[in-house]
Amino acid sequence: DAGVIQSPRHEVTEMGQEVTLRCKPISGHNSLFWYRQTMMRGLELLIYFNNNVPIDDSGMPEDRFSAKMPNASFSTLKIQPSEPRDSAVYFCASSRSGASYNEQFFGPGTRLTVL
Amino acid sequence: ILNVEQSPQSLHVQEGDSTNFTCSFPSSNFYALHWYRWETAKSPEALFVMTLNGDEKKKGRISATLNTKEGYSYLYIKGSQPEDSATYLCAESGGGADGLTFGKGTHLIIQP
Repeated sequence: DAGVIQSPRHEVTEMGQEVTLRCKPISGHNSLFWYRQTMMRGLELLIYFNNNVPIDDSGMPEDRFSAKMPNASFSTLKIQPSEPRDSAVYFCASSRSGASYNEQFFGPGTRLTVL
Repeated sequence: ILNVEQSPQSLHVQEGDSTNFTCSFPSSNFYALHWYRWETAKSPEALFVMTLNGDEKKKGRISATLNTKEGYSYLYIKGSQPEDSATYLCAESGGGADGLTFGKGTHLIIQP
């Protein structure tokens, strides 16, 4: 089975531009999580969805960040406008809610650089 | 303890030696403790999930214990090998579909 798929793997953009990160969870998983990895703060939860519904977005840093999950097999994380401090690795993870004590499976991440 | 904390931050170990490191977490409203292994340029890979006080899990040369009353977990590696070099993350989860709260990890380097 394919794991969690993220695209792009690398993104370099200029300050002020819109950035869209994409995630396809593992088929059959109904919970999806977006995390951000930085040197200073480690891995932080940004937002998670259960059955395509956003449950907790308290980790989203600012209004410039938004996330959607239009269906069970696709989610986007958008940053508009982007700033240099948004540079980080963004991970998507999925789990089968209620199974294995919520073991989460991570995608390969998107390394974002905002110049 | 308000956050998930790991120590040490980094660790150099000679090949063949055994080692261990610590994860501390808030013991109130505890649901589960997760250990992940994270190699550079790869995605975090789940090692263990533990929920009960006194739980012990083992996978090959790696094992983990859990004390929910005092809020800590230990990860042990027996007979370290170069391929064990990675960052080891622990994370606490709430019930249902809650996201994970991660520690900053222990960066382990095995020296041949």
